[in-house]
Amino acid sequence: DTAVSQTPKYLVTQMGNDKSIKCEQNLGHDTMYWYKQDSKKFLKIMFSYNNKELIINETVPNRFSPKSPDKAHLNLHINSLELGDSAVYFCASSQDVIEGATEAFFGQGTRLTVV
Amino acid sequence: GQNIDQPTEMTATEGAIVQINCTYQTSGFNGLFWYQQHAGEAPTFLSYNVLDGLEEKGRFSSFLSRSKGYSYLLLKELQMKDSASYLCAAINSNYQLIWGAGTKLIIKP
Repeated sequence: DTAVSQTPKYLVTQMGNDKSIKCEQNLGHDTMYWYKQDSKKFLKIMFSYNNKELIINETVPNRFSPKSPDKAHLNLHINSLELGDSAVYFCASSQDVIEGATEAFFGQGTRLTVV
Repeated sequence: GQNIDQPTEMTATEGAIVQINCTYQTSGFNGLFWYQQHAGEAPTFLSYNVLDGLEEKGRFSSFLSRSKGYSYLLLKELQMKDSASYLCAAINSNYQLIWGAGTKLIIKP
């Protein structure tokens, strides 16, 4: 069974388009995250949700909007895509409310390429 | 500022031992994680250290020195499947993770 699954794995789209990435976890965790891994391989947290409530929004453009219909799902919607949005986006979940309190389980990543 | 330093790339031979170093500067400290990330895949948890000393887990061990702001990951009896990036992440006083860029480890036969 896949613990954290996200779709799609690859996404190629044109500038200006709107796209969504879906994420689901079956671990029963209370907290889910979206990370961006850029070309330099740094993982940067974008959002954290605890039981459907946003608890972190790390200065990402408001073109990015997370949506959590329930605590097992955290989707990422991106409006008006720009070239600089090209990166790998990882969904993750953890048991604790706080990002660094316990280990995180990551999805397989979505490689977004904006052309 | 807060940052993590680790070598960009290392090469080692199958069957050998390799040590990947990580130095950190954070506002407060509540522990350090090591994750493994194979190319094109998700990071997976390897270890967590919060007290000084060595934590051993099979072929992998992780060491922490809080006074020096230093950690290392030790991989023994290297196998080809150990070729991956190894990410160091320190936890600051707000329990936020400060991630390094990872060390790409190349294993040669």
